[in-house]
Amino acid sequence: QKEVEQNSGPLSVPEGAIASLNCTYSDRGSQSFFWYRQYSGKSPELIMSIYSNGDKEDGRFTAQLNKASQYVSLLIRDSQPSDSATYLCAVKGFSAGANNLFFGTGTRLTVIP
Amino acid sequence: DTAVSQTPKYLVTQMGNDKSIKCEQNLGHDTMYWYKQDSKKFLKIMFSYNNKELIINETVPNRFSPKSPDKAHLNLHINSLELGDSAVYFCASSQDVTGVEKLFFGSGTQLSVL
Repeated sequence: QKEVEQNSGPLSVPEGAIASLNCTYSDRGSQSFFWYRQYSGKSPELIMSIYSNGDKEDGRFTAQLNKASQYVSLLIRDSQPSDSATYLCAVKGFSAGANNLFFGTGTRLTVIP
Repeated sequence: DTAVSQTPKYLVTQMGNDKSIKCEQNLGHDTMYWYKQDSKKFLKIMFSYNNKELIINETVPNRFSPKSPDKAHLNLHINSLELGDSAVYFCASSQDVTGVEKLFFGSGTQLSVL
């Protein structure tokens, strides 16, 4: 069983719409959750982090966490073509006694002008 | 100035060859990583070093040997390359071992084994 699972997509939304990206994780003890954005041919960059149940907003981005359901989501409001990218969900865990980030396979988002 | 730089950006080679990828960070971070991203975009940790010491080694074949001459550099040497090694390899760094939440990635090295 994969530790972090995402729907690989592609997810297509029209410009101006809300894009909803979902992620589930297997380790109930996980406390820290992240969203990275990766443009095609580029490296991942951190865009959101969330640690507590509920919503966290940053501009057009909202991260949502439900630890009971082991579910994390990312909402992008007023989607722009520049948001077209692969979004990677990541969960902090432990590996060989050290902190580690476990990534999902990513959801490819396309925003259609 | 590039924060995390890795070379080369592209590496095309034959099966059985040995190759190296170099990585340097100028952020003053203590911890560096190698990640492998396969064709399905799955990004998986391979190694982590903290102040030149190996702290994570994730069931990677021993054909892969990381080397950290100082905390600003983490190189990856791969012996006897196989077709399945084809992937994008990302170097990354974080402030320290607890700062793994905010990783700074290099631009990646696309390795193609023919």
